[in-house]
Amino acid sequence: AQTVTQSQPEMSVQEAETVTLSCTYDTSESDYYLFWYKQPPSRQMILVIRQEAYKQQNATENRFSVNFQKAAKSFSLKISDSQLGDAAMYFCAYRSVKSSGDKLTFGTGTRLAVRP
Amino acid sequence: GAVVSQHPSWVICKSGTSVKIECRSLDFQATTMFWYRQFPKQSLMLMATSNEGSKATYEQGVEKDKFLINHASLTLSTLTVTSAHPEDSSFYICSEKGGGNEQFFGPGTRLTVL
Repeated sequence: AQTVTQSQPEMSVQEAETVTLSCTYDTSESDYYLFWYKQPPSRQMILVIRQEAYKQQNATENRFSVNFQKAAKSFSLKISDSQLGDAAMYFCAYRSVKSSGDKLTFGTGTRLAVRP
Repeated sequence: GAVVSQHPSWVICKSGTSVKIECRSLDFQATTMFWYRQFPKQSLMLMATSNEGSKATYEQGVEKDKFLINHASLTLSTLTVTSAHPEDSSFYICSEKGGGNEQFFGPGTRLTVL
């Protein structure tokens, strides 16, 4: 079974600065998807960014980018020019391409605080 | 992205009663729906997966007779918590998957069992 580990329960960043959230995962599969979701106080889950494992290029979405290291099974999220609205819980998630019926396996989350 | 709604957003019930939570996809047809449970300050734990017209597949440790899932159409799935007890108090979230690779999440339902 796949597992997703987020080793940072809480992180803090100064507004306008850059912060990196860590995520590692364990799998024996070669093809899969990785996601970062944001859960603000409203509890609505919002997709931040997605990475296909077969793609070597790191995904980027505006101020959000990932550092995908497939051999190391690492998938960190970098938030640039942090804004107050970025404060939320961030969950890393894994999805198999072949097995598990499209299920998402989530990490335990990192709570990000943004200091004004 | 696609819009998924849940109703109710918050429900309080007495111990022993049953509660039904609805999950609707408003602008697409959901071939697969997922139900998650989230305890305070914890991650989302998948409870079950359902495909339209089929019986739900429950994760290990989830009581299928207690958490009844019905996926009668491509736009509606329901989760019924039967004979609810205080330990069932939690935040329940549905998500739906269309033809692509992304899941779209509902806003969640907070259940409090007194």
